Order: sequence, then C-alpha cells, then structure tokens
Amino acid sequence: DGGITQSPKYLFRKEGQNVTLSCEQNLNHDAMYWYRQDPGQGLRLIYYSQIVNDFQKGDIAEGYSVSREKKESFPLTVTSAQKNPTAFYLCASRELDRVNTGELFFGEGSRLTVL
Amino acid sequence: GQSLEQPSEVTAVEGAIVQINCTYQTSGFYGLSWYQQHDGGAPTFLSYNGLDGLEETGRFSSFLSRSDSYGYLLLQELQMKDSASYFCALTMDSNYQLIWGAGTKLIIKP
Repeated sequence: DGGITQSPKYLFRKEGQNVTLSCEQNLNHDAMYWYRQDPGQGLRLIYYSQIVNDFQKGDIAEGYSVSREKKESFPLTVTSAQKNPTAFYLCASRELDRVNTGELFFGEGSRLTVL
Repeated sequence: GQSLEQPSEVTAVEGAIVQINCTYQTSGFYGLSWYQQHDGGAPTFLSYNGLDGLEETGRFSSFLSRSDSYGYLLLQELQMKDSASYFCALTMDSNYQLIWGAGTKLIIKP
C-alpha cells in the first residue's frame, strides 16, 4: 500500500541535542511538507520541497533544517537552536498537478519531547 | 495577513446533525478544505470547495460562501467514531500553501 511513513513515532531529547525525524513516501509525489502541531493550534509550515535538491522555508523555519536528496525522502532535523521543540511533527505530500485541490496526504506523525 | 476562525469545541448527540463553522480573512485563495484528525493520529482529507456552494460526500457535506467569507462542515447521522478534531484550511493563491484553522474538537455523546 502506498503511503507516508514517519519515524520514530515518539522521541525524547535532551536540551542541546539535534534530532532527525524521518519521512519516506512511496506515493511518487513531487511535493513534501513538514508541519508542526501544538495543542489548540492549527498546523504551521516548517519547510517544503517541490523538487529534489530544492526546498523552501515555511512560516517557522528557524531552528530546523531539511534535505531532499531523493524524491521519496524528506528528513527534518530539529537543531539545538529551536527554542521550544516539544511538539507533534507531521510530514505530508501531494502531487504538484493537484495543488489546487487542497488535498494533502499525511504520515502518522512524530512526537518529540525535550527533557 | 490571513486567519481562520473555528469554534474550539462542539458537542453533539449520536445520530444527530452538527455543523462546524469556519470564518476567514484573506486576500486571495483557491479553495477551502476540511480535514479530520483523531487524537494522536494523522489528519485525513475530507472535502474541498473550490467554488461557492455545497459539496456532498456521504454523511459529510461542506459549504463555501466567498461573499460571506464563511464555510462549514456538516456531519449527519453522527457516529461515535466521528469524535475527532476537524480543521479547515485555505489553499492560498500566492503559493498554493495551506493556511490552517486551530481546529474544532467534536465531542459526541451517546
């Protein structure tokens, strides 16, 4: 079955450590996205990529980094510069020729807790 | 800037009908989407309104009125499994990115 796989599902980090969240999709989608979700808030865009080896900052990119070396993979690194990294992180993808349909496909999320 | 407003929580009875409203302020967008998210899970796409009017998909319907800057999601024949958070989101015409509301938690009582 096609879909998006995020790992790990739960992650604990000490302050000052970088962590990398994995996102892999086998939907053959060109565009991939990372969102952050905090309780009682909507999703906020961290980074997105529409093509391999290219990515753009979203609304809250500070303290995060990404790479897009392969079409199916879009890992997110939460660096020690991120002041409040405890959150639920969601990876999503979609076909570029369907960007005006409002439909994104999401992974199951990764919950990061900083101790 | 752009913003979307939704009620934070709505309570309804199993078998009933419930409407979740979404009002917005934005300069330009392609359409309004609705997503469902169960606790701890992934958001799943429910519907999209690119034009004004009503879109029906089974027990769920969605409505958009650009003149009123308003949309809603209508859920009929409520089932306990419909207990979840529901998000509205606009696809912006500047860059095709989605701007999200804060979500409405739907509580269903037997």
